[in-house]
Amino acid sequence: AQRVTQPEKLLSVFKGAPVELKCNYSYSGSPELFWYVQYSRQRLQLLLRHISRESIKGFTADLNKGETSFHLKKPFAQEEDSAMYYCALSTGTYKYIFGTGTRLKVLA
Amino acid sequence: NAGVMQNPRHLVRRRGQEARLRCSPVKGHSHVYWYRQLPEEGLKFMVYLQKENIIDESGMPKERFSAEFPKEGPSILRIQQVVRGDSAAYFCASSPLQGSTDTQYFGPGTRLTVL
Repeated sequence: AQRVTQPEKLLSVFKGAPVELKCNYSYSGSPELFWYVQYSRQRLQLLLRHISRESIKGFTADLNKGETSFHLKKPFAQEEDSAMYYCALSTGTYKYIFGTGTRLKVLA
Repeated sequence: NAGVMQNPRHLVRRRGQEARLRCSPVKGHSHVYWYRQLPEEGLKFMVYLQKENIIDESGMPKERFSAEFPKEGPSILRIQQVVRGDSAAYFCASSPLQGSTDTQYFGPGTRLTVL
């Protein structure tokens, strides 16, 4: 079955510290992976997608097919990065499969 | 461009009442998707609609739930005879084209509380 796992409900880091939000997926085909972010009182918005191989707001994510992971990383966390982060998988159709989300808190 | 609009943002219903959730997609988008997020869970796909057509409703409960996307006006998700287990956040997303490479743009969600 297709599944996305985000093992951490809450991740707290200090400002300036590195951040890694974990995402593992289960899918036997060629997946397309996304990271969505939801800032306080705002809507879910796309942060980045693996096919773009881009860096947004200092965040990067690399698809590791061997480990079936798509971890989100940032070398130096900022307070404005505090938000809910959702990893999502598309299996080649319009159905996105979301993880349960990780709340990132960046402490001053 | 106001993005995807959903209303109401919060809806309270008593058991047995009907809930109507509205979604206006991004202007020019003809594909609408509804997701439900139960407490402590991720968003789960419910239904995919194009104008006047339901393309895939495999994620929607067979009873009490229905969805439409008329030629004119917003998409409507309708829940009849609500029960406490229907309490959740319901998100709508839209895209201009169908396909996995096309980004879905999300609305702010409607939080339904059933008393």
